[in-house]
Amino acid sequence: AQSVTQLGSHVSVSEGALVLLRCNYSSSVPPYLFWYVQYPNQGLQLLLKYTSAATLVKGINGFEAEFKKSETSFHLTKPSAHMSDAAEYFCAVSGRPTGGGNKLTFGTGTQLKVEL
Amino acid sequence: DTEVTQTPKHLVMGMTNKKSLKCEQHMGHRAMYWYKQKAKKPPELMFVYSYEKLSINESVPSRFSPECPNSSLLNLHLHALQPEDSALYLCASRQAGTGGNEQFFGPGTRLTVL
Repeated sequence: AQSVTQLGSHVSVSEGALVLLRCNYSSSVPPYLFWYVQYPNQGLQLLLKYTSAATLVKGINGFEAEFKKSETSFHLTKPSAHMSDAAEYFCAVSGRPTGGGNKLTFGTGTQLKVEL
Repeated sequence: DTEVTQTPKHLVMGMTNKKSLKCEQHMGHRAMYWYKQKAKKPPELMFVYSYEKLSINESVPSRFSPECPNSSLLNLHLHALQPEDSALYLCASRQAGTGGNEQFFGPGTRLTVL
């Protein structure tokens, strides 16, 4: 079984400050990990993914995440927050791709607020 | 074309109506998904189609009926819904087999059941 835990349902940062959104995973097999962003009344957009090729993953919009097996973590960071980063962020985990319908297991989400 | 499209964007229906949601992708993906998302919650998986065959049904009530007519199209037929079925319905697609594991989401259909 696989699961992810997102610590902090709400995070507030000042514009220009570091963004850190936390995600810890639990998986009995090597995990595939993802971060998605959802703006109000929109679908989910893939920010980045970890598939074991490299532990530091760079994504879109200046975000990156580091896979740390010893800490079972995959935290999302951005050096300098922008007002447009305000959104809901979901961490998700799945197993190795198979011929069937792979399932994504989502965390409960973190609402990021960016203040002037 | 690297997007998933969904129609309609908004839908209001009564409890006795029959309506359908449509999802389309032209990325050659062979796995397609329906999710239901309530406000402030993560998406909940409803159905998965793999190579046009239903592979996962997460014990969804029969008033929701999925259909995959071809590899690019996914429908969700709705009948006799309840007010608690009001939600954002998201479609997603993925390369099937051992290809990429990420899912690509459409913009969703906002459903209101009166």
